[in-house]
Amino acid sequence: DGGITQSPKYLFRKEGQNVTLSCEQNLNHDAMYWYRQDPGQGLRLIYYSQIVNDFQKGDIAEGYSVSREKKESFPLTVTSAQKNPTAFYLCASRPLQGARNQPQHFGDGTRLSIL
Amino acid sequence: AQKVTQAQTEISVVEKEDVTLDCVYETRDTTYYLFWYKQPPSGELVFLIRRNSFDEQNEISGRYSWNFQKSTSSFNFTITASQVVDSAVYFCALRGNSGNTPLVFGKGTRLSVIA
Repeated sequence: DGGITQSPKYLFRKEGQNVTLSCEQNLNHDAMYWYRQDPGQGLRLIYYSQIVNDFQKGDIAEGYSVSREKKESFPLTVTSAQKNPTAFYLCASRPLQGARNQPQHFGDGTRLSIL
Repeated sequence: AQKVTQAQTEISVVEKEDVTLDCVYETRDTTYYLFWYKQPPSGELVFLIRRNSFDEQNEISGRYSWNFQKSTSSFNFTITASQVVDSAVYFCALRGNSGNTPLVFGKGTRLSVIA
């Protein structure tokens, strides 16, 4: 079955440590997105990518980095510069060909906590 | 700039009651797309419906119905005869017609259906 796989489901970070969240999709979607969800804050966009080797900052990109070396993969690194990383992280993708009303499909999320 | 407002943070209803979740949006685009997603306790976002700005026809799907009114910039979601399984956080989202931009989400409404 096609879908978006995020791993790990739970992740713990020590102070000063970088951690990487994985997002893989086999839907052949062009665009991929990372969102952060905090209680009562809804979903806030961190980064997105519409094509391999290209990506754009979202509303809260500081303290995060991404890469898009392959169409299927869009890993997110939470760096030590992100002082409040505890949150639920959601990866999404969608095709760009065709109508602009295509919805974004989401993975199951990764919950990141500070030790 | 795009903006989505879900004024209701939390709603509690007793099973079998009807409930309406409000969504008000702002955009300068003449063509735009609206979406509703459901986030059950497990965390993944489930796509429910999309609506194009040029299609003001309301839609019904089983116990779910959506009322789109351009005149008031609203896209409200009604659940008829609510069930415990409807308990979730519901998000309204907007995409403008300015290229293939990411979705802008409201902060969500947490619905609790009590047996």
